[in-house]
Amino acid sequence: EIVMTQSPATLSVSPGERATLSCRASQSVSSSLAWYQQKPGQAPRLLIYGASTRATGIPARFSGSGSGTDFILTISSLQSEDFAVYYCQQYKDWPPYTFGQGTKLEIK
Amino acid sequence: QVQLQESGPRLVKPSQTLSLTCTVSGGSISSGTYYWTWIRQPAGKGLEWIGRINTSGNTNYNPSLKSRVTLSVDTSKNQFSLKLNSVTAADTAMYYCARDRGEWDLLYYFFYGLDVWGQGTTVTVSS
Repeated sequence: EIVMTQSPATLSVSPGERATLSCRASQSVSSSLAWYQQKPGQAPRLLIYGASTRATGIPARFSGSGSGTDFILTISSLQSEDFAVYYCQQYKDWPPYTFGQGTKLEIK
Repeated sequence: QVQLQESGPRLVKPSQTLSLTCTVSGGSISSGTYYWTWIRQPAGKGLEWIGRINTSGNTNYNPSLKSRVTLSVDTSKNQFSLKLNSVTAADTAMYYCARDRGEWDLLYYFFYGLDVWGQGTTVTVSS
């Protein structure tokens, strides 16, 4: 099973600034990586798949990059609604799909 | 717009079977080439993929749960279901159903994300 590790566990950023979240796979997943956003009391929401393709309706301030074992989710200019927990998910080697433990993005 | 809604008992006794149903509305469960998925999340923790099923009855399970999980689909009711037997306190979690969007090309599955989710239902295992 591929283990996904996200860092940092918590990231404090001011509104309007850029946030950079990291995800590392225990072995190569090529570009088979997705990102999700989860707000308190809500289900996760798909942001990115294929490491860099935004899902339908996702604002352009969200971007994904990377391949192999190291991936980045960048939020270019943080809005108040962006403060949430973010999860990465690999789908290269399945079953099972596996998720990272999450990065909590909080207001600085 | 497709929506998903989980339903089922919120409290299950240890050693018994957890049973949940996900109802699909706003579209037919049989349209498209989707897989219908279950994911769970213990309170304050991360996401665990349980398994998925398509309307042909093809299933994939998490190996860690495979011996205890059964997924089924009822196209006439636009529903799919999860049964998890021999539950323990470790199975206490928020359970989500979700739609797995993708397509097969020969032997490769092109995955486009878990793009629709239910709101989730909390299940507690306790006597």
